Amino acid sequence: GEQVEQLPSSLIVQEGASVLINCSYTDSASVYFPWYKQEPGKRLQFIIDIRSNMERKQNQRLTLLFDKKTKHLSLHITATQPGDSAIYFCSAKGFASALTFGSGTKVIVLP
Amino acid sequence: GPKVLQIPSHQIIDMGQMVTLNCDPVSNHLYFYWYKQILGQQMEFLVNFYNGKVMEKSKLFKDQFSVERPDGSYFTLKIQPTALEDSAVYFCASSSGLGGRGDTQYFGPGTRLLVL
Repeated sequence: GEQVEQLPSSLIVQEGASVLINCSYTDSASVYFPWYKQEPGKRLQFIIDIRSNMERKQNQRLTLLFDKKTKHLSLHITATQPGDSAIYFCSAKGFASALTFGSGTKVIVLP
Repeated sequence: GPKVLQIPSHQIIDMGQMVTLNCDPVSNHLYFYWYKQILGQQMEFLVNFYNGKVMEKSKLFKDQFSVERPDGSYFTLKIQPTALEDSAVYFCASSSGLGGRGDTQYFGPGTRLLVL
């Protein structure tokens, strides 16, 4: 079945810096890739997604890049704020409905 | 964004007992999911439910597990009997299955289950 690998597992940045989170998947049948953010003690919050027929998607300070050939995604967060501190999860979905999640990247933004 | 509710937030039970986890999905959503996350591990898919039926399930969805949503009430996950390895956080999710945002799954806050 699908496997999703996410790196790094954690990172610490100064407020205002950028963050890059990488994600790779194995199943070429995966077509939909939502990303979620989980703040301490809170639910998973949907933040951005991309489909396999796209290469790039932007939502304010978030930019998601997708390379179908290498089965790789990267999430870029610019101008980080302390409120961006959370665990970020990438996930992949094929034609079935189940999401396969990465292990998460814990981001700490220092004020 | 859309909110999924889960009741209870925490549950502690003795091994062998039955437990029911309740999920109140987003009101117009048609697809419902349960995921399991053991402490320190990745969240893993358990089951997907649509139109009163299990559509797909993973190997984690043991025979002791069952799901239902009687008459539009809570979407429930029942474990009977429970085992020690069932201790985990269980997340419910729902999606509309309609239109451009139909694939997006919205998650509840999770139920922390501890089996002693």
